[in-house]
Amino acid sequence: GAGVSQSPSNKVTEKGKDVELRCDPISGHTALYWYRQRLGQGLEFLIYFQGNSAPDKSGLPSDRFSAERTGESVSTLTIQRTQQEDSAVYLCASSLEGYYNEQFFGPGTRLTVL
Amino acid sequence: KQEVTQIPAALSVPEGENLVLNCSFTDSAIYNLQWFRQDPGKGLTSLLLIQSSQREQTSGRLNASLDKSSGRSTLYIAASQPGDSATYLCAVSLFNNAGNMLTFGGGTRLMVKP
Repeated sequence: GAGVSQSPSNKVTEKGKDVELRCDPISGHTALYWYRQRLGQGLEFLIYFQGNSAPDKSGLPSDRFSAERTGESVSTLTIQRTQQEDSAVYLCASSLEGYYNEQFFGPGTRLTVL
Repeated sequence: KQEVTQIPAALSVPEGENLVLNCSFTDSAIYNLQWFRQDPGKGLTSLLLIQSSQREQTSGRLNASLDKSSGRSTLYIAASQPGDSATYLCAVSLFNNAGNMLTFGGGTRLMVKP
């Protein structure tokens, strides 16, 4: 079946602009995660959605970052007033409900803030 | 705070060699450990997932082991091929997190020379 998809694959924006990144999880996966990978650094957790529960936002680096998810489907990550340090690859992953389940990752969105 | 370390950071081997990648983590209260590969400019591909109650998992030429009490996992790649060249990441999920967020190691960059 189809995997996790993300759009756009690449985004170049100017400092101060808002950007919106989209993630389509695998159908039936109730859990959805956003991670960030900055150049030369490891992956950092940003936010987690599980079904209709309140999201775990503990990884969001600032209040310029927010995310929404419609039911158990599409999620959007919004970055307001982008800064150069926001440049990174933003990865989305999904899994079945439960702590023992494998996470499947999308191809990522490469964000460049000029 | 969970810390995940991967050694070596980079490895270059001739084709056909068997090799071992190492991963260590500081908090043994994990749900599972997952190994991924990441090709340049691409997302993560899940290779193996070991649940906390398991000792090892195998897929083709790959074998991953887990020693939770000592905080270690190894990924064994048999008869390496140039197509195995990629960055290999290990990640753990913790009991103490609200969700199943993964904490990643810094990766091992593998080059298999023909």
